[in-house]
Amino acid sequence: EAGVTQSPTHLIKTRGQQATLRCSPISGHTSVYWYQQALGLGLQFLLWYDEGEERNRGNFPPRFSGRQFPNYSSELNVNALELEDSALYLCASSLDGALNTGELFFGEGSRLTVL
Amino acid sequence: AQSVTQLDSQVPVFEEAPVELRCNYSSSVSVYLFWYVQYPNQGLQLLLKYLSGSTLVKGINGFEAEFNKSQTSFHLRKPSVHISDTAEYFCAVTRSWGAQKLVFGQGTRLTINP
Repeated sequence: EAGVTQSPTHLIKTRGQQATLRCSPISGHTSVYWYQQALGLGLQFLLWYDEGEERNRGNFPPRFSGRQFPNYSSELNVNALELEDSALYLCASSLDGALNTGELFFGEGSRLTVL
Repeated sequence: AQSVTQLDSQVPVFEEAPVELRCNYSSSVSVYLFWYVQYPNQGLQLLLKYLSGSTLVKGINGFEAEFNKSQTSFHLRKPSVHISDTAEYFCAVTRSWGAQKLVFGQGTRLTINP
């Protein structure tokens, strides 16, 4: 069974540009979570999508946005890129949105570098 | 809201020595607790989880953790580490009902020296 897949693996952008990151959850999983892992800051919760709807959002500015498609895949958009947006962006999926077993399954991440 | 504090940012140990990675959490409601491991250039992988029942939880690769409600701790232990255990370890918490996200600690970098 395929795990969570993310693309691209690496992305280099310049300040002010936009970045789009993509995620395909494990088959049968309806919830997708996005986390930012910046150097020295651990994992910061960005967004949660379930059944096509944004269910929860972390403390990030509105230029971080995303969506979930009918097939449950998701994309994360970051507009007006800033240097501090450089990070590993991790996508995770779960079987249910209420996290009844709590477990998330992670992809290998997309590393965004902003120059 | 839930929060997690990992008390050590880095832990160096010698191969075959025991190790303990410390994690404390804060929550006003009942919780689920997790340890995830991140090997270099990879995503996170679940090591073990506490949902309910026995407070001693065994996971993969010989790791175990003990849930201590009175001390709000969930420390991770391994009696004898191997070079391959070199990785970053994350403690995480979510409330046990109506959860909307997994909250992670800052991580502990475990370095195994030969």
